[in-house]
Amino acid sequence: GENVEQHPSTLSVQEGDSAVIKCTYSDSASNYFPWYKQELGKRPQLIIDIRSNVGEKKDQRIAVTLNKTAKHFSLHITETQPEDSAVYFCAARSGGYQKVTFGTGTKLQVIP
Amino acid sequence: NAGVTQTPKFQVLKTGQSMTLQCAQDMNHEYMSWYRQDPGMGLRLIHYSVGAGITDQGEVPNGYNVSRSTTEDFPLRLLSAAPSQTSVYFCASSDRTGGNEQYFGPGTRLTVT
Repeated sequence: GENVEQHPSTLSVQEGDSAVIKCTYSDSASNYFPWYKQELGKRPQLIIDIRSNVGEKKDQRIAVTLNKTAKHFSLHITETQPEDSAVYFCAARSGGYQKVTFGTGTKLQVIP
Repeated sequence: NAGVTQTPKFQVLKTGQSMTLQCAQDMNHEYMSWYRQDPGMGLRLIHYSVGAGITDQGEVPNGYNVSRSTTEDFPLRLLSAAPSQTSVYFCASSDRTGGNEQYFGPGTRLTVT
């Protein structure tokens, strides 16, 4: 089955700096890559996603890039703010059904 | 719309007890899934369903049963609780025809002693 690896597990940045989280996947048939943000004690919420036919997608301060050849994708957050502090999960979907495999998460701390 | 709801929010069980975690969605989504979340391990798929009457196993199905008799409901049954099943359980749903976004419920924190 699919295997998703995520790095780093923790990340501390100064407010205003950029943060980058990287993920790799194993199944070349994976075609959908969402990123979720989870605040303490809350449910995961989708922040951005990308499909396998797109190389990059941006939404304000958040961007995701996908390299299908290398089987890796990354989340970029620019101009970080304290409210960006949370755990971020990458995920990959393979197959036609909702069989989504998650990475192990990155705890991002933005220091004011 | 209430979205995805889960009950109970918290539960403590003794080893060997059984119980059902409830999940319901009012968005007419075809796909529903159950995940467990453990520290340092992300979310792992237990079971999923692509429509009423159709279920399949995910990554960690042992010790759990599911059924999907209606589009709205997708209960998760723990047959004989074990301490290893202490976790936070999330239910999620998504629409096959719309985007692929999964909407998560608020979670159930389960402790097995």
